[in-house]
Amino acid sequence: DVKVTQSSRYLVKRTGEKVFLECVQDMDHENMFWYRQDPGLGLRLIYFSYDVKMKEKGDIPEGYSVSREKKERFSLILESASTNQTSMYLCASRSLSRDRVNEQYFGPGTRLTVT
Amino acid sequence: EDKVVQSPLSLVVHEGDTVTLNCSYEVTNFRSLLWYKQEKKAPTFLFMLTSSGIEKKSGRLSSILDKKELSSILNITATQTGDSAIYLCAVVDSGGGADGLTFGKGTHLIIQP
Repeated sequence: DVKVTQSSRYLVKRTGEKVFLECVQDMDHENMFWYRQDPGLGLRLIYFSYDVKMKEKGDIPEGYSVSREKKERFSLILESASTNQTSMYLCASRSLSRDRVNEQYFGPGTRLTVT
Repeated sequence: EDKVVQSPLSLVVHEGDTVTLNCSYEVTNFRSLLWYKQEKKAPTFLFMLTSSGIEKKSGRLSSILDKKELSSILNITATQTGDSAIYLCAVVDSGGGADGLTFGKGTHLIIQP
C-alpha cells in the first residue's frame, strides 16, 4: 500500500509565523506535490517536485516555498503566515513506473488555521 | 487555460438509486483522467482512464472515458449511505514533466437512507 504521511493533522499558527508542513512517502516515488483545498475553489497546485532537489511552481506558489533534500520528504514552507493561507493542505506522491504512471496518492491532509 | 468541469455540483438521492456523475475537460494534450472519492480527509484514488483503457469497473462503481466528447462519467449503482462523499475528477496532459493534476471542483453526493 502506498503510504503518504503528513506531520500534523491540525495546526494553528499566528500571522507572521514561519510554518513548516512536512510530507513523507515510503514508496520511493519520484514526484511529490503540495495542494491546497478551499471550499468553492477545489484543489489547487502550489508546488511540485520531479525528484530530489528539484522543484517547480504550480498554479498558486505566492507566499510559499518548498524543500526536497531527500527523495521521501517534501516540505512546504510558509515564510510569514497570513490569514488567507488558512486552508486544508494536501501532499501527494506519484510513481513514474509504466503501469502506474499518473496514479497519484494523497496524504491525510493538514488543516492549517492562521489567526 | 486547462479546464475541468464537473456536474452536478451536488446531488441528493435515496439509497438504492443509481447515479451518474459527469466530468468534461479541455486540456492541451490529454494523457489521462482520474476519479477520486473524498470523504472526510484526503481524496482516495478510484480509477484512471487513458486512451488505452477507456472503461473501468470496480464493484458498483464504473467509469467510461469518451475522448470524442472530451468527457467521462462515473456511475454508481445500488447506492449506499457509505457512498456519500465528494467525487473529484482530475486530468493530466502530456506536456511533459511532473506537473500536477488539474482538478474539477467536485460533485458532492449525498445518499439518504
